[in-house]
Amino acid sequence: DTGVSQNPRHKITKRGQNVTFRCDPISEHNRLYWYRQTLGQGPEFLTYFQNEAQLEKSRLLSDRFSAERPKGSFSTLEIQRTEQGDSAMYLCASSPGRAGGVLTDTQYFGPGTRLTVL
Amino acid sequence: SQQGEEDPQALSIQEGENATMNCSYKTSINNLQWYRQNSGRGLVHLILIRSNEREKHSGRLRVTLDTSKKSSSLLITASRAADTASYFCATAPTGANSKLTFGKGITLSVRP
Repeated sequence: DTGVSQNPRHKITKRGQNVTFRCDPISEHNRLYWYRQTLGQGPEFLTYFQNEAQLEKSRLLSDRFSAERPKGSFSTLEIQRTEQGDSAMYLCASSPGRAGGVLTDTQYFGPGTRLTVL
Repeated sequence: SQQGEEDPQALSIQEGENATMNCSYKTSINNLQWYRQNSGRGLVHLILIRSNEREKHSGRLRVTLDTSKKSSSLLITASRAADTASYFCATAPTGANSKLTFGKGITLSVRP
């Protein structure tokens, strides 16, 4: 399967603990996005990478959240000192940027990591 | 904040009927995309329509875009039980960053 993969698929943690999620985008996709989705809502943008550069962060991304994409391939999202309000589905998406010389904005989503903070 | 607002919030139809879902948005866009999400799973891209396009087709899907009214519609023809899912419209802004802003989604139930 050459789609976007995310690990783990589920994470249950206690309030105050740190958690880290991983996203492996589609090979050769230079754009990578993180979104958060709560029950009954659409996904909300968190942050965006072009290659290894983090180009935008939402104000939803408090200083307890940090994301990296060190080699421009996989990305990690870490949440420190988790709170119950962090419980959500964390979605990763990748996009080729330019495909065949044409700029494309289509984003391909992974299955998500469901975080439950007790 | 969520830019798109879908209408209706929930739709229940019989297999074989057509399903029409609407989306309105607030700011200027580069393109508008529709995604499907099965319960508790990731999103699947359905179709993208650019701001200079008015209508686009893909299989049983037809999407329209009216930038003067800041609205879009998604038509699924000859619906199947497997079309049961949540559907989201998402807008990409003008400018370099193509982050998507999603609506709250429409829950479609297709009865066999």
